[in-house]
Amino acid sequence: GQSLEQPSEVTAVEGAIVQINCTYQTSGFYGLSWYQQHDGGAPTFLSYNALDGLEETGRFSSFLSRSDSYGYLLLQELQMKDSASYFCAVDGSGNTGKLIFGQGTTLQVKP
Amino acid sequence: DTGVSQDPRHKITKRGQNVTFRCDPISEHNRLYWYRQTLGQGPEFLTYFQNEAQLEKSRLLSDRFSAERPKGSFSTLEIQRTEQGDSAMYLCASSLPAYPYEQYFGPGTRLTVT
Repeated sequence: GQSLEQPSEVTAVEGAIVQINCTYQTSGFYGLSWYQQHDGGAPTFLSYNALDGLEETGRFSSFLSRSDSYGYLLLQELQMKDSASYFCAVDGSGNTGKLIFGQGTTLQVKP
Repeated sequence: DTGVSQDPRHKITKRGQNVTFRCDPISEHNRLYWYRQTLGQGPEFLTYFQNEAQLEKSRLLSDRFSAERPKGSFSTLEIQRTEQGDSAMYLCASSLPAYPYEQYFGPGTRLTVT
């Protein structure tokens, strides 16, 4: 089967740093993406890792270890607007870009 | 281009009725995806088009579901003989076949089957 595991909820305070982990077990792997979704909104793309290592984009960074089937999203200098659900998603097919999503992590940022 | 659009945004239907949703992707995107999302879950892949060709369909998808992309632009998703279990948010996304393979999602169509 194919599965992705991530924590269901994370709480942090404004200005803090939070890490959301994702472990995956899929029949194929081409890359790991992260998407953010606010309540009532559409998922929006944050990052994509195809190779091992850290990718940094502003306050957000994403890490991948293919050998460990593991990745994480790191959010720094948390702001209230970062309160949202965060999904990791595996591109397991390569040819199609079809994504297999995790169940999501709800991040609550408190003042 | 204003992004991916979907119509209608909300649909309430009675069990057993047929419904059809439309998705207009970003114009230069040749890849188009349909996903279904229920409360508290991540999007679940339904089907994928490259241009007008439907290249993959989820094995979980009942034969009551059909999708088309006749001219490689907009797409429609039809659900026949709706069931209460079909109640969900139906999301459409489009992308280019290039790094970082970002998928742009539309606002979704929320279906409620009564």
